[in-house]
Order: sequence, then structure tokens, then C-alpha cells
Amino acid sequence: AQSVTQLGSHVSVSEGALVLLRCNYSSSVPPYLFWYVQYPNQGLQLLLKYTSAATLVKGINGFEAEFKKSETSFHLTKPSAHMSDAAEYFCAVSPASGGSYIPTFGRGTSLIVHP
Amino acid sequence: KAGVTQTPRYLIKTRGQQVTLSCSPISGHRSVSWYQQTPGQGLQFLFEYFSETQRNKGNFPGRFSGRQFSNSRSEMNVSTLELGDSALYLCASSQSYPQDNEQFFGPGTRLTVL
Repeated sequence: AQSVTQLGSHVSVSEGALVLLRCNYSSSVPPYLFWYVQYPNQGLQLLLKYTSAATLVKGINGFEAEFKKSETSFHLTKPSAHMSDAAEYFCAVSPASGGSYIPTFGRGTSLIVHP
Repeated sequence: KAGVTQTPRYLIKTRGQQVTLSCSPISGHRSVSWYQQTPGQGLQFLFEYFSETQRNKGNFPGRFSGRQFSNSRSEMNVSTLELGDSALYLCASSQSYPQDNEQFFGPGTRLTVL
């Protein structure tokens, strides 16, 4: 069984401020973890993924996330928010198995960036 | 390289009808996954097809079905539509295993059931 909890359905930051979006997961098997971004009227775009290599994962658009097994967390951060970062962000977990792929998504966090 | 395309983009149906949604993956991608996105339930995995075979299936009733053709294009069918089927249906493609390879999502088909 697996689940994902994203703390905070909305996060509001000022332009230039640190972005921190929280994700905690549970998984009965070693997980792969993902962060996706969704802009209005568009599909999801992969920001980054953890696949058991490095625990600190760097993604596109300046985002990064750190896998912390002891805390079962995979929080997404960006040092300096930009207006274009305003979007919906989803954390997802799936089994780290080539044959079985059924992902579980968090409910999403809407990032609001103020000028 | 063209992205994932989904047709139609918008659809309005009435209860009891059936609907077919289409997805064309990125050229060379053999895995196609379908997702349902609603405000109440969030993003939920429907099923994944690879080389014309359903490889993984989420927890949805049998009214939801799909298929994949030899050119990797995929269709999803929902029969006997219910009001709760109103959602954004997203298709995603990847080269092989979705968790090992990046999934590329289409813009979705917005289905409204009246």
C-alpha cells in the first residue's frame, strides 16, 4: 500500500522568496517519488524524480527535492520564487518495480506568487 | 518532436451515454497511461497499456476500458456515463516503464456529464 500527503492545499510566497512544498509518503516497498507541475488548462510536467540514486534530486526550473527516508518525506524547494512558478504542484509515489506501476498522487498544492 | 495529443479537448455528454477518448503518444513511446482528475478525488490512475496489452490497472469499475493499437495510439471508453464521471482525463506516454522513464502528459480531455 502507498499514500502521499501534501501539507497545505495553498502556499503563498513573495517573488524572490524561498519556495517549500511539503510531501510525505508511505510505501510498503521501496518507492520512486516524483514532483509534477500543472499549469492551467495543461497536463502535468515532470519536475524531478527520485529513483534511489542520489537523495538530493535536482530538477528543471531551479527546483530540487531531498529524499529523507527517516522522515518519509520528499519536500520540494526553490531558493527564489518567480512569478512564472505559480501553478499546481503534485507529489506522487509508485513502486520501484519494473513490472508494477500504479502511482498514487497527492491532492496537490497550489503555489501563489505575489509580486 | 510532437507532444502527446488528445482528442477531443472538450466533450459534453448526458447520463447513460458512452464516450470514447483518443490519445496519440509521442513518436517512439510504447507505454500509454490514463488518469482521471477531479476536484474531489484528485488525480487517479486508470490503466496503462504497453504494446497493445493492458499492463497495469487502477481501481475503477468495468465501465472504464481502454485499448492500444499497433501504432501505440490509445483509446479510452466509458460506458453508461454517470454524473461523477465528469473530469479531466489525462493521457501520458513514456518509452517503456513509466516509473523508469519520464512520462509526458497531454493537455487532457475535459468531459462534462449532464
